Amino acid sequence: KAGVTQTPRYLIKTRGQQVTLSCSPISGHRSVSWYQQTPGQGLQFLFEYFSETQRNKGNFPGRFSGRQFSNSRSEMNVSTLELGDSALYLCASSLNLAGGGAGELFFGEGSRLTVL
Amino acid sequence: AQSVTQLDSQVPVFEEAPVELRCNYSSSVSVYLFWYVQYPNQGLQLLLKYLSGSTLVKGINGFEAEFNKSQTSFHLRKPSVHISDTAEYFCAVQRSGNTPLVFGKGTRLSVIA
Repeated sequence: KAGVTQTPRYLIKTRGQQVTLSCSPISGHRSVSWYQQTPGQGLQFLFEYFSETQRNKGNFPGRFSGRQFSNSRSEMNVSTLELGDSALYLCASSLNLAGGGAGELFFGEGSRLTVL
Repeated sequence: AQSVTQLDSQVPVFEEAPVELRCNYSSSVSVYLFWYVQYPNQGLQLLLKYLSGSTLVKGINGFEAEFNKSQTSFHLRKPSVHISDTAEYFCAVQRSGNTPLVFGKGTRLSVIA
């Protein structure tokens, strides 16, 4: 069974640009969550999608957005990039519940974004 | 809102020695508790989880954790570590229901030969 796939793995952007990251969950998983990981702040929750609907949202500005498609694949977008957006963006899928609950989160390897 | 505190940011330990990684959480309601491990340049992998029942939980790679409700702790232990255990370990809490996992800031375990 294929794991969670994130693309691209690495990317470099400049301030003011926008970026789109993609996540393909494990087959059959309907929930996709996104986290931002930085050395100073650790893992911070961005948002979670379930059946194409945003079910939970973290405390990030509106520049961060996401969506989920009917095949459960998800994308997140960051507009007007800032230096502080440099981070590892992790996608995780689960069967049903947000964050796993009685199940668990399965993480991809992440997309490392560097903003210059 | 719940929160997680991992009391040690870095833990160096010699190979074959025991290790304990500490985690405390705060929540006014019942929670689920998790430990994840992250190896360099990889995503997170579940080590173990506490949902209910026995307070001693066994996970993969010889790790175990004990849920202590009175002390709101969920410390991770391994009796004998290997070089391959060198990684970052994250404790996480989830309020019952469809809510996101909240992670601690991580503990970097370095196993020294």
